[in-house]
Amino acid sequence: DAKTTQPPSMDCAEGRAANLPCNHSTISGNEYVYWYRQIHSQGPQYIIHGLKNNETNEMASLIITEDRKSSTLILPHATLRDTAVYYCIVRVGGGKLIFGQGTELSVKP
Amino acid sequence: DAGITQSPRHKVTETGTPVTLRCHQTENHRYMYWYRQDPGHGLRLIHYSYGVKDTDKGEVSDGYSVSRSKTEDFLLTLESATSSQTSVYFCAITPGLGTDTQYFGPGTRLTVL
Repeated sequence: DAKTTQPPSMDCAEGRAANLPCNHSTISGNEYVYWYRQIHSQGPQYIIHGLKNNETNEMASLIITEDRKSSTLILPHATLRDTAVYYCIVRVGGGKLIFGQGTELSVKP
Repeated sequence: DAGITQSPRHKVTETGTPVTLRCHQTENHRYMYWYRQDPGHGLRLIHYSYGVKDTDKGEVSDGYSVSRSKTEDFLLTLESATSSQTSVYFCAITPGLGTDTQYFGPGTRLTVL
């Protein structure tokens, strides 16, 4: 599975969009981009995933660049409850997830 | 929450004692996983199962064994607990049927004194 690089921390004002970047320059053609988050002391929570097209669900949007070497998770209207560690994971599919260090997002009032 | 429960939620034990953690799911999912989470290491896979009596090792399996005698339960056993096994343990499942997204349980906090 390809390696990912994320900033260790980010701040966002409540009500504004939170844009979390992820670099995955060694991604191969059949690897998906997954995003999870972990709110303190809870189990990781699935957010969204995609292959090459942009994706949107009730939680977030995922923008994948045309060359697929990077992606951005967008939380359109961040709330205090979105404060968490966000993990970007690249994998072919099936089997284990490999979690890196993620981005610690702090949403501030 | 994909119908996953873990028990116990918290446990304190002494070095050398056996410990069994239970992951229970109610929706007949085939794939189940055990992870541990430690500061500075993120989540690491211990063991996983792809069906009843079918299990395999993850990246940090030493000191752990698992059993899956029925679909709904995946047990993680520490035969002789050590302080290095103090951690938070998460169970996960994959629903299958065209998706390999993993969903996680609430976790078990284990302290080995």
